Amino acid sequence: NAGVTQTPKFQVLKTGQSMTLQCAQDMNHNSMYWYRQDPGMGLRLIYYSASEGTTDKGEVPNGYNVSRLNKREFSLRLESAAPSQTSVYFCASSDQTGSNQPQHFGDGTRLSIL
Amino acid sequence: SQQGEEDPQALSIQEGENATMNCSYKTSINNLQWYRQNSGRGLVHLILIRSNEREKHSGRLRVTLDTSKKSSSLLITASRAADTASYFCATDGGSNYKLTFGKGTLLTVNP
Repeated sequence: NAGVTQTPKFQVLKTGQSMTLQCAQDMNHNSMYWYRQDPGMGLRLIYYSASEGTTDKGEVPNGYNVSRLNKREFSLRLESAAPSQTSVYFCASSDQTGSNQPQHFGDGTRLSIL
Repeated sequence: SQQGEEDPQALSIQEGENATMNCSYKTSINNLQWYRQNSGRGLVHLILIRSNEREKHSGRLRVTLDTSKKSSSLLITASRAADTASYFCATDGGSNYKLTFGKGTLLTVNP
């Protein structure tokens, strides 16, 4: 039982390049989330998907797009990377959307944009 | 955004001692959660406390919630070196569907 798996673990991009961060969960959860973690800022929600086929903006969605490919997979795309998007990105999942639901996190993707 | 704020930012103790971390928030909540993050890893859920609860226990963890003061505390008893990690509170600001995380307390437990 792998839980939440994120790929890649590390990536270096040049400004203007695009890339997609992948996330998959094997817990049959309905809801999935993308966060970014920056020093001194805590975790900030980028986008979430309450269920397969739906996505909604979080606190910091600008510069990102997401796709809920199926119930297991939720990807995050940077169309034109900027240095301000240098961060650690975490994917999480929960059984349902709700603050009474524990979230299960992957180990993150460390992204540097030069 | 409504956010829990942990206090202190950093805490260093000896193995066997108790560690207490606090979380304050600004608006009424439905639920509050605590998470642990080991260096280089993702967050791990520790405990959830509902607004109508005052205290919950899980192993060596004890969480209290005082809604009148808009604060929560996480107590780790008989700490171990393996408890070294960052600890985050997450609140819902009354939304009931979205969590907002604080900046965390870095706990160092010295052998």
